[in-house]
Amino acid sequence: QVQLVESGGGVVQPGGSLRLSCAASGFTFSTYGMHWVRQAPGKGLEWTAFIRIDGQNKYYTDSVKGRFTIFRDNSKNTLDLQMNSLRPEDTAIYYCAKDSGSYYRFDYWGQGILVTVSS
Amino acid sequence: QTVVTQEPSFSVSPGGTVTLTCGLTSGSVSSSYYPTWYQQTPGQAPRTLIYNTKTRSSGVPDRFSGSILGNKAALTITGAQADDESDYYCVLYLATGYWVFGGGTKLTVL
Repeated sequence: QVQLVESGGGVVQPGGSLRLSCAASGFTFSTYGMHWVRQAPGKGLEWTAFIRIDGQNKYYTDSVKGRFTIFRDNSKNTLDLQMNSLRPEDTAIYYCAKDSGSYYRFDYWGQGILVTVSS
Repeated sequence: QTVVTQEPSFSVSPGGTVTLTCGLTSGSVSSSYYPTWYQQTPGQAPRTLIYNTKTRSSGVPDRFSGSILGNKAALTITGAQADDESDYYCVLYLATGYWVFGGGTKLTVL
């Protein structure tokens, strides 16, 4: 079955950096786009970033453009999110999500990892 | 900046019917935005209910249905049950590589 397991979360000071990782299994990773979706404490979901299957085409929500970079390693079945210049408003649970490959939806989600940006 | 709108909260009686909507601050929602609806309970990852406007995801009870009503996407729950009490989110695919979630609706069943 599809499994997505995030790691790398924690507490970081404003202006700092953090790299999240998502280990994927149970499907042919190299044939699906992948997303990061975040959720601030007590708030709604926010689509954050998307990477296509070849890893060359990447897309971001406006608030993280220039600060976050999404990566994938199809040989290791991993998805990463490099987060730089972190702000308190980046505090959230970050979910790794698999693109369904059709109808522009996220069909499987990880359990999420908490990132806290605080001094 | 385009904002996707949802009712912040809604209440329904057990056995009742409720329709949650998903709109745009500028323009109308159409099927070309591939509306998807997710259900989320506290501490859990979201679960897909409806995708491509009205297609029910595998295992989702048929009391959940999706549609376009006027200029909005809609999620209707017919015969609400206690365990339908959750947060509901719509998401629209607004442009190439660009998704926007609504703010979510907190549904209370009482």
